[in-house]
Amino acid sequence: QVQLVQSGAEVKKPGASVKVSCKASGYTFTGYYMHWVRQAPGQGLEWMGRINPNSGGTNYAQKFQGRVTMTRDTSISTAYMELSRLRSDDTAVYYCARATILSTHFDYWGQGTLVTVSS
Amino acid sequence: QSALTQPASVSGSPGQSITISCTGTSSDVGGYNYVSWYQQHPGKAPKLMIYEVSNRPSGVSNRFSGSKSGNTASLTISGLQAEDEADYYCSSYTSSSTLENWVFGGGTKLTVL
Repeated sequence: QVQLVQSGAEVKKPGASVKVSCKASGYTFTGYYMHWVRQAPGQGLEWMGRINPNSGGTNYAQKFQGRVTMTRDTSISTAYMELSRLRSDDTAVYYCARATILSTHFDYWGQGTLVTVSS
Repeated sequence: QSALTQPASVSGSPGQSITISCTGTSSDVGGYNYVSWYQQHPGKAPKLMIYEVSNRPSGVSNRFSGSKSGNTASLTISGLQAEDEADYYCSSYTSSSTLENWVFGGGTKLTVL
């Protein structure tokens, strides 16, 4: 069965960086895009970007350009999302979500990783 | 402010039907059949309920259905059950000349009375 297991909660200071991992199992990792979506406390979902695990190619939301980096390690079927220059309003639950090549929808989601930015 | 507009809340009694709207533009909802809907219970990850406007993934109840007219997509839940109480989000692909994006609605809280 498809599973996306994310790394644990993080607490960071403003200005620092955070790197969240998402380990995939139950399917061919390189056959599906991996997207990242975040959700601030009590707020809605926000798309951050996606990575093609096969090529490593990425697309980022304009809002996060220059601050976000998405990578992958195909040898361990794991995708990563690194966000730099953290601010308090980056406090959110970060999700990885699988999508087909056309990315018409996100069919499996990780359990989420809470990132808290606080001085 | 979210890219897609949803009502903040809707409610219904058990057994009734409700519809949640999701309004965008010709650059997203109206331009592509890539609208999807997600159910999210408190403290849980979103779950795919409808994809490509009106398709149900395996395992999702046929009480859930989707449609689209122009720039507005809709999710209908018939025969409401207590377990349907959750937040619902729509999503759509959108593109400009320079960027590909996926956008979400602000979410709708469904209360089963």
